[in-house]
Parts: sequence; structure tokens; C-alpha cells
Amino acid sequence: DTGVSQDPRHKITKRGQNVTFRCDPISEHNRLYWYRQTLGQGPEFLTYFQNEAQLEKSRLLSDRFSAERPKGSFSTLEIQRTEQGDSAMYLCASSPPGREKLFFGSGTQLSVL
Amino acid sequence: SQELEQSPQSLIVQEGKNLTINCTSSKTLYGLYWYKQKYGEGLIFLMMLQKGGEEKSHEKITAKLDEKKQQSSLHITASQPSHAGIYLCGADSNTDKLIFGTGTRLQVFP
Repeated sequence: DTGVSQDPRHKITKRGQNVTFRCDPISEHNRLYWYRQTLGQGPEFLTYFQNEAQLEKSRLLSDRFSAERPKGSFSTLEIQRTEQGDSAMYLCASSPPGREKLFFGSGTQLSVL
Repeated sequence: SQELEQSPQSLIVQEGKNLTINCTSSKTLYGLYWYKQKYGEGLIFLMMLQKGGEEKSHEKITAKLDEKKQQSSLHITASQPSHAGIYLCGADSNTDKLIFGTGTRLQVFP
């Protein structure tokens, strides 16, 4: 069990640029989640996948956000035309089938200048 | 939609003191999860409660879920500096995802 891996750990970008984050879940986990956390707040749900199917998207996920999990393994989260309000920690989590706990990665801290 | 309220928002205690953090849900919980987060890092799982009246302990941390499954408490006995961090409760409302509270920031000073 190597844990959930996220890359990069930190990303600084200029407003208007596109950014992409990657998440590698624990290998036998079929569910993968993306959350966003701003300073002083708890994680907010963005979207989740069961295998390669994206089953739910939060209304927080505007048209500038897209997430994929092409082969049911790793996932990417892309933000197009970044805005300063996108600055946050983006957390990925995975879980096995059933009502099980989520295993979180260390997150990607995004700063939009 | 389900909401979770945590109290207090922040807590500063002297090492060795006991403390309690509360989590209240607007809806009945199918499961309640407690996580700990160090600043700038991911969440570390602490405990999961599913049954009304359930209580679990690990080292000096005890978590309880009330009979009505709408409130949970996390109690730390004889706090240590290593307990410092952000404590988050997460609710499973039978929607395949967890909804989190805003967190309780704990500082423990010697």
C-alpha cells in the first residue's frame, strides 16, 4: 500500500493560465474523489469516479474545471483560464467499494497570482 | 443538503488537559468519520462510527456517536503537542461521498 499520490505538491501560476493536477489512487480502489479546501474551511466535494465513470459533479465545478479518469486508474483535474479565486488546496482521495473510509493524498496547493 | 457544524472552531489547551470537540449534523448520519490534518497536508483517518451509541477509542482519543446519529464528539485525554492540528468530521449521508465540517483547530502548549 503506497498510499494516494498527488503531483505536483505546489503550483504557482498566473491568472488566465491552464493547470493540470494528477492523482494516483491506491491500486485496488475503484472510487476516486476530488475535493477543494480553502484556508480555514473543511474540504468541499468537487467530483468522484467509480472506475472510469464520473458519477457526480458538484455545482462548485464550473465549466472551467474538468476531471478525467481514462482507464479507471489515475485521474487528472484540469482548470482552464485560472482565476485568483481558484487558489486552494486540491485534495484527492480514494476508497474501495462499499461504505469505507477515504484515503487522502497530500494535496496540491495552487496559488494563482 | 446536509451540513455539519463543528465546535469549537479553535481550541488552545495546556499540555496534559482533556478536551472535547463536537460535530452536529443537520440530517441523520449513515456514518461519521473523524480525520486529523496537519497544516498544508492531507487528511489522516482517525475513526469511523456507524451505529447509534457507538464509541471507539484509539490511544488517548475517544469518539462517540449519539443514539439519534446526528451528533458526535471527539475526546482527547491528557493532550500532548503531537495532538495539535485540525480535526475534521465527515458525514456519510448515503450519497457515496463525505461532506466535511469546517474543522476545529487545536493548539497544545507545554
